[in-house]
Parts: sequence; C-alpha cells; structure tokens
Amino acid sequence: AQKITQTQPGMFVQEKEAVTLDCTYDTSDPSYGLFWYKQPSSGEMIFLIYQGSYDQQNATEGRYSLNFQKARKSANLVISASQLGDSAMYFCAMREGRDSNYQLIWGAGTKLIIKP
Amino acid sequence: KAGVTQTPRYLIKTRGQQVTLSCSPISGHRSVSWYQQTPGQGLQFLFEYFSETQRNKGNFPGRFSGRQFSNSRSEMNVSTLELGDSALYLCASSRGGTGYGYTFGSGTRLTVV
Repeated sequence: AQKITQTQPGMFVQEKEAVTLDCTYDTSDPSYGLFWYKQPSSGEMIFLIYQGSYDQQNATEGRYSLNFQKARKSANLVISASQLGDSAMYFCAMREGRDSNYQLIWGAGTKLIIKP
Repeated sequence: KAGVTQTPRYLIKTRGQQVTLSCSPISGHRSVSWYQQTPGQGLQFLFEYFSETQRNKGNFPGRFSGRQFSNSRSEMNVSTLELGDSALYLCASSRGGTGYGYTFGSGTRLTVV
C-alpha cells in the first residue's frame, strides 16, 4: 500500500490565486513527521515546510501553510498568492518515528504550473 | 553558509562500468542520505550514514554501496552499471536526529548508455 499519496499529477493555477496541493499518508506509528519539498526543473529539492505528528498547530512558513488533519491522515500544502516562480514539482514526504529510521518516504509529486 | 555540494552534476557512463558520486554536507551535519529519482519509480531511499556508520539501507541491490568519511563527506558507488540506473541521485544532509529536517544538494544526473 502507498504510504504517501498525492492524487494530483498536475495543476494549472492562475497567478496570484491560492493553491492547495493534496497529500494523504498512511502510518501506524504515532510519531512521524511530514515534509513538503519543491523541485524546480534544475533538480534541487527545496524544503518548504514541516509538520510533526504531535504539533498542535498547523505549520506556516511565509506563503506556505500546511493544513494538517490528523484524523483524516491528510497534510495538504497551501500556497497563498501564487507566483510564476512557484511553477515546479511538489513532493510530500514522511519520516516515521520508529527507532533508527531516518529515511523519507515520498509521494509521486504534483506538477504545478502557474499561468500569468 | 555553504549548502550541500554534489559532484559531478552530470555523468555519462557505459553499461558495465562503475561510478562514484560525491556529497559534501553542510558544515556540522553528520547525517548524509542518498536517494534515487527516476520517472518510473519516483524517489527511493538508498541509504543513510551518520558518523561514518550506515544506519539505514533501502531496497537496492548490492551493486549500490556507500561510505562516509570522518569529515562527514559521503560517496556512493554503483558497480556494473545497468541502463536502469540512469537517474537523478540526490544527497541530503541533516544534523541526524529525528527532529531535524533535510537539506538537499542539486543532484547528480547519471546517464547510462
């Protein structure tokens, strides 16, 4: 079974609009962390935002916020006021908190294109 | 501060050859992880090193190996290259605990012909 599911292979959004990228996860571990990364065409993975499973509040980083719904196992990324430079692949990833487990499990990604 | 440096950026090798990729983490980071990214399989974890010890290993054949040096720099080696090894190889640097995030390098794009 997929541990990280991103159901939107691609999205077109008008510049300055807000956009929500979906991510659902599957884990039985009570301790885990969820990450969102942006990958432009250059290939580098750029960290955007992190949410820990025990965090009480939704994470925010500038124009990025994470809509964390623990009971639904959902961790959607919200980008407010999108910009042309936001066009990229976006990946949701999870690290489960089991001892000695430091790997990230990745979703398939969403290709976001911002239209002028 | 300097980011994560991966060398080389691009590499073309012939089937059957072997290749070594290098990753220099952020100063003070003791954990280095490696990931393979392909269009078909997406991002897959290869292995993670912390203080010269491999802590985690993904589900890859033994042709894929790695090591970490005392200065935290890491290398990964792929022997007997196959066409399917063509991929973007990403290295991530971290302080090493579960509460820390990961900073990635720009990757090495390997093409096997």
